[in-house]
Formats: sequence, C-alpha cells, structure tokens
Amino acid sequence: EAGVTQFPSHSVIEKGQTVTLRCDPISGHDNLYWYRRVMGKEIKFLLHFVKESKQDESGMPNNRFLAERTGGTYSTLKVQPAELEDSGVYFCASSQGQFSGNTIYFGEGSWLTVV
Amino acid sequence: AQSVAQPEDQVNVAEGNPLTVKCTYSVSGNPYLFWYVQYPNRGLQFLLKYITGDNLVKGSYGFEAEFNKSQTSFHLKKPSALVSDSALYFCAVILGGYNKLIFGAGTRLAVHP
Repeated sequence: EAGVTQFPSHSVIEKGQTVTLRCDPISGHDNLYWYRRVMGKEIKFLLHFVKESKQDESGMPNNRFLAERTGGTYSTLKVQPAELEDSGVYFCASSQGQFSGNTIYFGEGSWLTVV
Repeated sequence: AQSVAQPEDQVNVAEGNPLTVKCTYSVSGNPYLFWYVQYPNRGLQFLLKYITGDNLVKGSYGFEAEFNKSQTSFHLKKPSALVSDSALYFCAVILGGYNKLIFGAGTRLAVHP
C-alpha cells in the first residue's frame, strides 16, 4: 500500500514567485493535514481537511497560503508570493476515521527554499 | 496553552547501551501521545503511540515508551541502541476530540560505535 506522497520533494524559488505543493494521501484516508517546519523550529500545524472540507485552518500563517482539496482526494498548497521566511519543509499527512487517536501518517516532505 | 517539551536538544549514547529520550507535556484533558522519528532528509515515521490501557507501549524498531500521568511524561526508551537509530525524534500530543498534533522541538539522537 502506498504511503503519503508529496511532490516536489525539493524546490528552490525566488522571493515573489509562486510554488504549488501537491500531496496524495493514503488511499481511503478522509483526513488530510498540512504541517511545516521552518528554520529548524518546531513542526507546526497548518490545516486539516476532512474529505474536501476545511475542518481547521487555524494554523495557516497568512493569506499568501492557499490549500485546496478538490474532490476530497489529493491536496495542493500554494504559496503566492513566496517570502524568505517561508523556507522550510512542508509535511503532508493523512489519517483514517474520526477518532483522534488514529495514527497520522506523514509523507517525505516538500523542502522549500526561497532565495 | 497546550505544549510538549523535549528538554534535551541532543542525546549521545554508545552503541549497545540503553537510551532514553525525554518528553513531558502540558495539556488539559486526556491526551493521546505519539513518537515520530525523522531520518536525515526523510519524512516523519510513526514509532508508537499511547491511547489508553497499559502505560508501557511498544513500537517499531524495538522502541518503547512509558506513559506517566502523574509526571505528565512519555519518555522514549530502547534497551540497546544501534548506530542506525541516529536520527531526530519528535514527541507529539493530540487531545481527544481534536485532530491537531502538537509537537515538541525534537531531540537529536546520536549513537556512537
């Protein structure tokens, strides 16, 4: 069974440009999450989808970030325009069902460098 | 505010010796506790979790963790460390009814031959 897959694995863009990160969750997982770790700091929650609906987007830093999950399958996270402080690793994760104790599985991450 | 503390930035252990990576939490309510590991340039891999029941939980790669409610701790342990265990370890907590993991800052484990 395939795990959570993310694309691209690495991206280097200039300040002001746009980047779109893609995440394919584990098949059958209704819950999809985005987290990020910037500048060696703590891993922080960005948002949570249940199917195609945004359940919690309290961690989104500002309106330069837009997440979508059309059709409740894969998700994209767009950063527009990118700033230097956006550099870091963006993790996508997925889990099954409503129980909070269900394991959340993470992808390999998309490593973003803004120069 | 809910928080997770990993008091050690780095833990150094000789191969074959037991290891402990510490984690304490501060949350209201009943937490679910997790450990994840990140190998160099890789993603987060699930190691183990505590939901309820036996305070000692066993996970992948021979790791185990003990939930201590009175000390609000969830330390990760392994009886005999391997060089291949060298990685970044993250403790995380989630509150029942929610789906948001709160992570500690991470502890780098270095196992020396």
